[in-house]
Amino acid sequence: KAGVTQTPRYLIKTRGQQVTLSCSPISGHRSVSWYQQTPGQGLQFLFEYFSETQRNKGNFPGRFSGRQFSNSRSEMNVSTLELGDSALYLCASSRPSGGSDTQYFGPGTRLTVL
Amino acid sequence: KQEVTQIPAALSVPEGENLVLNCSFTDSAIYNLQWFRQDPGKGLTSLLLIQSSQREQTSGRLNASLDKSSGRSTLYIAASQPGDSATYLCAVQSWEGGSEKLVFGKGMKLTVNP
Repeated sequence: KAGVTQTPRYLIKTRGQQVTLSCSPISGHRSVSWYQQTPGQGLQFLFEYFSETQRNKGNFPGRFSGRQFSNSRSEMNVSTLELGDSALYLCASSRPSGGSDTQYFGPGTRLTVL
Repeated sequence: KQEVTQIPAALSVPEGENLVLNCSFTDSAIYNLQWFRQDPGKGLTSLLLIQSSQREQTSGRLNASLDKSSGRSTLYIAASQPGDSATYLCAVQSWEGGSEKLVFGKGMKLTVNP
């Protein structure tokens, strides 16, 4: 069974630009969560999508948004990039959860903002 | 607000030692606790998941225990090997800010020397 895939793996952008990251979950998984990982803050939850609806949201500004398609693939968008947005962005998929499912992570997208 | 702490932040040991990694969390109302492994520049690999009703889980040389009442978990690694070198993260799934979230510790970087 193929794992979670994320594209692109690496991105370099400049301040003020916008970026879109993509995540394809494991086949049959309907929940996709996004996380930001930085050396200073560690792993922080961005949002979770389930059946094309945002189910949970972390404490990030509105510049961070996402969506999920009918095939469960998800995209994350960051507008008006700032230097502090440089991070590893990870997505994770799981089956529908009651709070008890293992999350399977992709390899991440490394975003560098210059 | 749920907070997850892992101390120490780094550990270097000779090959063959039995290791105990510690994780503490502030709110005992959790759904589950997971231990992950992260290799440099890569995503997270789930090692063990302990449901809130369980006390421990085992997989190969790994054993994780959970004491909800004291807000602690330990990951025991038997007969450590250089291939165990990685960052180990603990995460709890709990109700946070009106929704379910996975809250991570900042990780412990383990180096096993041959």
